[in-house]
Amino acid sequence: KQEVTQIPAALSVPEGENLVLNCSFTDSAIYNLQWFRQDPGKGLTSLLLIQSSQREQTSGRLNASLDKSSGRSTLYIAASQPGDSATYLCAVRSGQAGTALIFGKGTTLSVSS
Amino acid sequence: GAVVSQHPSRVICKSGTSVKIECRSLDFQATTMFWYRQFPKKSLMLMATSNEGSKATYEQGVEKDKFLINHASLTLSTLTVTSAHPEDSSFYICSAAFLGPGGYTFGSGTRLTVV
Repeated sequence: KQEVTQIPAALSVPEGENLVLNCSFTDSAIYNLQWFRQDPGKGLTSLLLIQSSQREQTSGRLNASLDKSSGRSTLYIAASQPGDSATYLCAVRSGQAGTALIFGKGTTLSVSS
Repeated sequence: GAVVSQHPSRVICKSGTSVKIECRSLDFQATTMFWYRQFPKKSLMLMATSNEGSKATYEQGVEKDKFLINHASLTLSTLTVTSAHPEDSSFYICSAAFLGPGGYTFGSGTRLTVV
């Protein structure tokens, strides 16, 4: 059974720092991996989607990498801002269409000004 | 594109009553939808997978008679919490298996409080 782990559980950094969030999964036979952002009491905002054949994806200050063979993904946030404060969730899909995403517990990020 | 609308966003109900949560795909047809539950400061736990026109598949430990899921059309799935109890208070989120470049898309969630 696929399990997704995110480290650290919480992170506090001053504004401007670059930071890395980690995600690991137990079954490397994934279809894709998706990073989400969740603000308190809100739904999910998709940040980046990496297909199993890809190594990384970039969007603005965000860069996500995928090492499928080792079961790891990282989300790199450059020049962090207070508006980046949120919970970041990593989720993997292990099969074709119709297979649910399995989520990690998330990393709660706090960026101070 | 690929927008999922979930209603209501918040609901407070009395113990013993039932509550229905709707999840609609606005600009695409969703053959498959998923329902998740999220406890405070916890991750999303998959409750069930619903396929249009067939019975939902529930995850182990989820009571199918308590959490009724109906996926009667390609754009609408509903979750009904029956005979709600305070322990059912939680954040419920639906997701649709949109096969576009953005991956799966999620509703905005429903905060259920049972008093």
